[in-house]
Amino acid sequence: GAVVSQHPSRVICKSGTSVKIECRSLDFQATTMFWYRQFPKQSLMLMATSNEGSKATYEQGVEKDKFLINHASLTLSTLTVTSAHPEDSSFYICSASRPSGGDTQYFGPGTRLTVL
Amino acid sequence: SQQGEEDPQALSIQEGENATMNCSYKTSINNLQWYRQNSGRGLVHLILIRSNEREKHSGRLRVTLDTSKKSSSLLITASRAADTASYFCATVTNRAGTALIFGKGTTLSVSS
Repeated sequence: GAVVSQHPSRVICKSGTSVKIECRSLDFQATTMFWYRQFPKQSLMLMATSNEGSKATYEQGVEKDKFLINHASLTLSTLTVTSAHPEDSSFYICSASRPSGGDTQYFGPGTRLTVL
Repeated sequence: SQQGEEDPQALSIQEGENATMNCSYKTSINNLQWYRQNSGRGLVHLILIRSNEREKHSGRLRVTLDTSKKSSSLLITASRAADTASYFCATVTNRAGTALIFGKGTTLSVSS
């Protein structure tokens, strides 16, 4: 099956710093990737759709200036949490789908962000 | 925003028993998918059922879809301790393109 990786798997940072999370599709090109956020004991919430070569599309309530998304290549999308605060602590998960793979999405293993 | 509700929120059963989880959604869908998540890990795709399908099987999994009631169910037969995880339904809607909108999930605990 398709493999999507994320890096780092865990990150702890101080309040006010910025954190970059990478999402890579390892064996296929993904023109579209998705970023989700999951708080403890809750479901996944779609944050944004990352489009290769164009601006990301953000869901309502998600600050685009705080969560910067860059999809510079067909295999890499990055999410940067700028000026992180403790309330940004969460599990961030990306996903990608094959161009010809229908609606099945392949999820990365997630990144656990803890902001002190 | 979230699309649907899962029912029950938590389910505890013994090994060998069947587990049934339900999911309801609000808007028209192209398809509905079920995913599994082990604690603190990523998601694993289990099964996809299209809006024109009513039932689908995959191994010990059986999924039904009732578009008139906007609901779906996931049945895991002969459960095993390794089935312990959270299970989420997710829908693909016209609005969101191919993005998935997740339900709240059911936490399944299977004891041996």
